[in-house]
Amino acid sequence: DAGVIQSPRHEVTEMGQEVTLRCKPISGHDYLFWYRQTMMRGLELLIYFNNNVPIDDSGMPEDRFSAKMPNASFSTLKIQPSEPRDSAVYFCASRGTTRGELFFGEGSRLTVL
Amino acid sequence: AQSVTQPDIHITVSEGASLELRCNYSYGATPYLFWYVQSPGQGLQLLLKYFSGDTLVQGIKGFEAEFKRSQSSFNLRKPSVHWSDAAEYFCAVGTSGTYKYIFGTGTRLKVLA
Repeated sequence: DAGVIQSPRHEVTEMGQEVTLRCKPISGHDYLFWYRQTMMRGLELLIYFNNNVPIDDSGMPEDRFSAKMPNASFSTLKIQPSEPRDSAVYFCASRGTTRGELFFGEGSRLTVL
Repeated sequence: AQSVTQPDIHITVSEGASLELRCNYSYGATPYLFWYVQSPGQGLQLLLKYFSGDTLVQGIKGFEAEFKRSQSSFNLRKPSVHWSDAAEYFCAVGTSGTYKYIFGTGTRLKVLA
């Protein structure tokens, strides 16, 4: 199994630019989660999907953040426009059963200058 | 609301010594409990999980954890630490109702040679 695949692994951009982070979940998993990790706030759940449908986006910090899951094998997290305080590691995770564990990708480290 | 507390931000132990990392949760019903490990620059890897049944759970890499309902705790233990165990450890709680997983703030483990 290839695991959860995220791209890019590292992204450096300037304030105001659009950032798109991508995630491919494990095949057959019907839940997908986006987390953000910072030193100050730890791991925060941003949004999660079930069968490609957003279920809970209460953790999305602002309207500048949006997430989509057009099909079962692909999701994006977009920040537009980006700000320096968005600098963090963004993790995607997927889960197969209703109470199974999360499988994490290796993360996308975002630096906004 | 459910919450997870890891009271120790940093722990230092000597190689070969025993280890216990603390985790306390707040939730009315029996939660699903997890321990994850994160090495620098990597995603989170599952060490072990508890859903129900035997309260002593065995995991990978020689780790175990014990669920104590009366103390609302799920502490992680290892009888003899190896230098390769140096990493950050996260406790997480999930519920059957929301399928959301809440993570603690993590405990960073340092191992002295």
